Amino acid sequence: GPKVLQIPSHQIIDMGQMVTLNCDPVSNHLYFYWYKQILGQQMEFLVNFYNGKVMEKSKLFKDQFSVERPDGSYFTLKIQPTALEDSAVYFCASSLGSETEVFFGKGTRLTVV
Amino acid sequence: GDSVTQTEGLVTLTEGLPVMLNCTYQSTYSPFLFWYVQHLNEAPKLLLKSFTDNKRPEHQGFHATLHKSSSSFHLQKSSAQLSDSALYYCALSGNAGAKLTFGGGTRLTVRP
Repeated sequence: GPKVLQIPSHQIIDMGQMVTLNCDPVSNHLYFYWYKQILGQQMEFLVNFYNGKVMEKSKLFKDQFSVERPDGSYFTLKIQPTALEDSAVYFCASSLGSETEVFFGKGTRLTVV
Repeated sequence: GDSVTQTEGLVTLTEGLPVMLNCTYQSTYSPFLFWYVQHLNEAPKLLLKSFTDNKRPEHQGFHATLHKSSSSFHLQKSSAQLSDSALYYCALSGNAGAKLTFGGGTRLTVRP
C-alpha cells in the first residue's frame, strides 16, 4: 500500500542545535501532518499543512518549530534551537484529502542531549 | 477539548481467545472514530473506522461498534492470532481524517 518514508529513523542532536526531520509523503497526497510522541505518552497532533500553508497547529508547535515543502519535495519539520523536551518520536503523515485516510510513516526518534 | 481513553496499557492473552480492547472518548461534537494498529518497527496503519452510530465496520476479523450513548468504540475479535500482537491506538477526528486525537494505546501480546 501507499507508504510515507521518514529519514532518518534515529537522530541525536546537541541541545541548542538545529535539526530538520524529513518526510517523503505518498506521491499524490495533498495534506501533510506531524505528530509527536514522547516516550510512554500518546501521539499528539503538532501541525497540518496544505497548499504551502500551515492550516492548523497545536500548542505543542512552539515558535522554534517550522514546516515547509519546497517544490513538492520532502515535507520537513525544522526545530531551531532544539531543547531537551523536544526528545520524542516524530511521526509524519499524509492524506489525499482533508477527509480521507491518513497514512503514517514509521517515525523519527529524536534525542536531544 | 477532545480526549480518548484506552484503559488497558497492556493486554496479554492466549491464541484463540477473544480480544476486546476498550476505547471511550469525549468530544463536543459527533466525531469519527478510528482504530490504528502498529506492528513492531512498522508505521501505524488504519485498521477500521466508523462514522455511523451502531454501524459495525470489520477488517481482518476485527470489528468495533460506535455507541454514541456511551461514547465508546471498543475493538473486538472473536479469536486472537499470534500475528495480532501489536500496539493498538484508538483515535477520533472531527472529520474523516485530519487532526487525529489519539488514546494512549494498548499493547496486545498474543501467546501460543
